Amino acid sequence: NAGVMQNPRHLVRRRGQEARLRCSPMKGHSHVYWYRQLPEEGLKFMVYLQKENIIDESGMPKERFSAEFPKEGPSILRIQQVVRGDSAAYFCASSPEGRGGYTFGSGTRLTVV
Amino acid sequence: AQSVAQPEDQVNVAEGNPLTVKCTYSVSGNPYLFWYVQYPNRGLQFLLKYITGDNLVKGSYGFEAEFNKSQTSFHLKKPSALVSDSALYFCAVRDRGSGAGSYQLTFGKGTKLSVIP
Repeated sequence: NAGVMQNPRHLVRRRGQEARLRCSPMKGHSHVYWYRQLPEEGLKFMVYLQKENIIDESGMPKERFSAEFPKEGPSILRIQQVVRGDSAAYFCASSPEGRGGYTFGSGTRLTVV
Repeated sequence: AQSVAQPEDQVNVAEGNPLTVKCTYSVSGNPYLFWYVQYPNRGLQFLLKYITGDNLVKGSYGFEAEFNKSQTSFHLKKPSALVSDSALYFCAVRDRGSGAGSYQLTFGKGTKLSVIP
């Protein structure tokens, strides 16, 4: 069992470019959560998805950020027109059910230059 | 709304001494409580959780935590610290109810533990 796989591990983008972060949940897990960790802070909830459905996106910034979890393939967190303030570590977690135990991935560290 | 407080940004302890990392929480209902550890440039590793039952929870790598409902605390402890325990530790809470708090983990800001040889 490979666990929760996130790629890339590190991503550098220039201001104004798009960032795509991928998350493959653990086998058998159909619930995916994205969290953001800003420097010197704890993790903050962004979005909760099930296959083809966004359940709760209350933690997502209103503009430039979107997430999807298609029927086939990984969950994608997309950030359009990145700004320096988007620099952070983005973690994905998965669970077999909505209130089940989480397993976190190793994260994607986004640096905007 | 739920919240977690980790009052110490950093804890220093000598190798072999007992360690405590403090955590207090606030939820509207009954909590699930978690401790995670993060090593530099790594993801979060699960240490232990409180669901129900015995207030003293034992977890990975010799860590344990005590749930205290009256003080709304869930302090992490280890009887004898190792240099390899040096890392960033996060406390997290989830509500047992049916709303958004039931699946969202709310994290504290983290406590950096340094174990001095």
